[in-house]
Amino acid sequence: DIQMTQSPSSLSASVGDRVTITCRASQSISRYLNWYQQNPGKAPKLLIYAASSLQSGVPSRFSGSGSGTDFTLTISSLQPEDFATYYCQQSYSTPRTFGQGTKVENK
Amino acid sequence: QVQLQESGPGLVKPSQTLSLTCSVSGGSINSGGYYWTWIRQHPGKGLEWIGYIYYSGGTYYNPSLKSRVSISLDTSKNQFSLKLSSVTAADTAVYYCVRDTQECSGGSCWGWFDPWGQGTLVTVSS
Repeated sequence: DIQMTQSPSSLSASVGDRVTITCRASQSISRYLNWYQQNPGKAPKLLIYAASSLQSGVPSRFSGSGSGTDFTLTISSLQPEDFATYYCQQSYSTPRTFGQGTKVENK
Repeated sequence: QVQLQESGPGLVKPSQTLSLTCSVSGGSINSGGYYWTWIRQHPGKGLEWIGYIYYSGGTYYNPSLKSRVSISLDTSKNQFSLKLSSVTAADTAVYYCVRDTQECSGGSCWGWFDPWGQGTLVTVSS
């Protein structure tokens, strides 16, 4: 199985801050990497697919980059509704696997 | 737009079989390009992929659960189902049904999970 490791596991930030979350795969996965946002008690929501493609309806302050083993999710200017947990997920091979999550908290 | 909705018992006794159904609306389950998938999330924990079924009936399961899992399709009802046998407390989780969209171009197939059902909590307890 491909192991996905996110860092940090949690972070504290303020509205307006630029936030960066990193995801590392245990082997090269090209650009087969997706990002999701999950709010408490809700299902995850797709933000970014294929490493850098923005899902329809997702604000442009979210962006993704990377290829191979190292990937980044960036929120350019954190908004109140962005305090949530973020997961990366590889679609390179089965079983599909997720990172352990990064919780973005209000400082 | 496509919507998914899980249904099934919220409480299952240890050693019994967990059974959940996902109803799909706004689109046909009997079309190519999608893997109909189950994912679970243990309380306060991360996401675990359980497996998928294709419209042709082909399946793929997580090796960690393979001996206990079965996913099936009912195209007449536009539903797919999950069965997990011999459950223990470790199977207590929120279970999500999800569409894994596959888009292929230039020899590469890109996949992502969207949409998701709202999730249903299944507790294993006597």
